[in-house]
Amino acid sequence: DGGITQSPKYLFRKEGQNVTLSCEQNLNHDAMYWYRQDPGQGLRLIYYSQIVNDFQKGDIAEGYSVSREKKESFPLTVTSAQKNPTAFYLCASSRTGGNTEAFFGQGTRLTVV
Amino acid sequence: GESVGLHLPTLSVQEGDNSIINCAYSNSASDYFIWYKQESGKGPQFIIDIRSNMDKRQGQRVTVLLNKTVKHLSLQIAATQPGDSAVYFCAEKYQYSTLTFGKGTMLLVSP
Repeated sequence: DGGITQSPKYLFRKEGQNVTLSCEQNLNHDAMYWYRQDPGQGLRLIYYSQIVNDFQKGDIAEGYSVSREKKESFPLTVTSAQKNPTAFYLCASSRTGGNTEAFFGQGTRLTVV
Repeated sequence: GESVGLHLPTLSVQEGDNSIINCAYSNSASDYFIWYKQESGKGPQFIIDIRSNMDKRQGQRVTVLLNKTVKHLSLQIAATQPGDSAVYFCAEKYQYSTLTFGKGTMLLVSP
């Protein structure tokens, strides 16, 4: 099946720890994205990448880092510098270009304990 | 799963009614718009899209209307079913920019 796979579905982190969320796609899309979703809010863009080995900050990049070493993979690290990391994290991918929709994974719920 | 709909605008309808969900978008230059459906604990799913050179587009049981004059987008769902209960987001895009999402509307369908 073609799609986007995020893992794990649930993740618990102790304060002061870094954690990495996985995102893999087999849709052959060039562009990949990470969004954060908090209750009662829309999706806010953390980082995005339009090509391998290149990525840009989104609206709320502070406390996060990413890498794009392979077309299929775009892992997100939530660092200890992120003050309020508890949220639902969504990865998406799309073709590059104007009129293209983004396809989403099923999300990772991160909780700081 | 945790509710992504906490504090969201909510539309409550009866099964079989038609539903209309509205969205005000922010950028008058946006040229592409999408509606997504998000069920609790899941990722958003694409429903329908529309380009700025159109004012209406129909899909299966859904219609999107675009009014560029007032920067307004609406999603009409015909014969709403309990399975339509979800949070609905509009998203806008300008040329090669990334998608910008609205805050969402929760649709509750009663049997």
